Amino acid sequence: SQKIEQNSEALNIQEGKTATLTCNYTNYSPAYLQWYRQDPGRGPVFLLLIRENEKEKRKERLKVTFDTTLKQSLFHITASQPADSATYLCALHTGGFKTIFGAGTRLFVKA
Amino acid sequence: AAGVIQSPRHLIKEKRETATLKCYPIPRHDTVYWYQQGPGQDPQFLISFYEKMQSDKGSIPDRFSAQQFSDYHSELNMSSLELGDSALYFCASSSGTSGYRETQYFGPGTRLLVL
Repeated sequence: SQKIEQNSEALNIQEGKTATLTCNYTNYSPAYLQWYRQDPGRGPVFLLLIRENEKEKRKERLKVTFDTTLKQSLFHITASQPADSATYLCALHTGGFKTIFGAGTRLFVKA
Repeated sequence: AAGVIQSPRHLIKEKRETATLKCYPIPRHDTVYWYQQGPGQDPQFLISFYEKMQSDKGSIPDRFSAQQFSDYHSELNMSSLELGDSALYFCASSSGTSGYRETQYFGPGTRLLVL
């Protein structure tokens, strides 16, 4: 069956360090993969999109990698700040208009 | 900039009642998506509309229906409500004309509580 897995446990890191979040998927061949940020009680906010023919994408302190052989995406936040504390969702486009979200990883950045 | 508007923001209903959630997409966005997110869960795709036609369907119960109107706003109708329908319901919109259809812009959500 099709599945998306993200670190189920919360990630606690110290301010200034790099946070690395993992998204693994099985039985999908997504054309692209996205990362969203979600704060409690609010809607997800789009961060980055990476296509199947791209290896890496950067935006300010954010970096996403996409390995279609490993079926894995890594999401990095460098020089992390307490304001980066949130849940980060990986989302796959599975064809048509359907988007499947992972369960998300909660990130806590301590000052 | 204008964002996705959802109404109401909070809704309390009794079991077996009916609820209607409304979504107003960002102006000139032609696609609307509905998601259901239970406590501590990921957003579950329910249904989407493109140019007022249903474009894709996910895990939407038969008790639910939705449509997109001529002004592109969308309504999610939920009947025979069950306790398990209590969740946050998000609407998102996107635009193909911008070249970034893949980017979905989410509304603030409607929190539905079924008692």
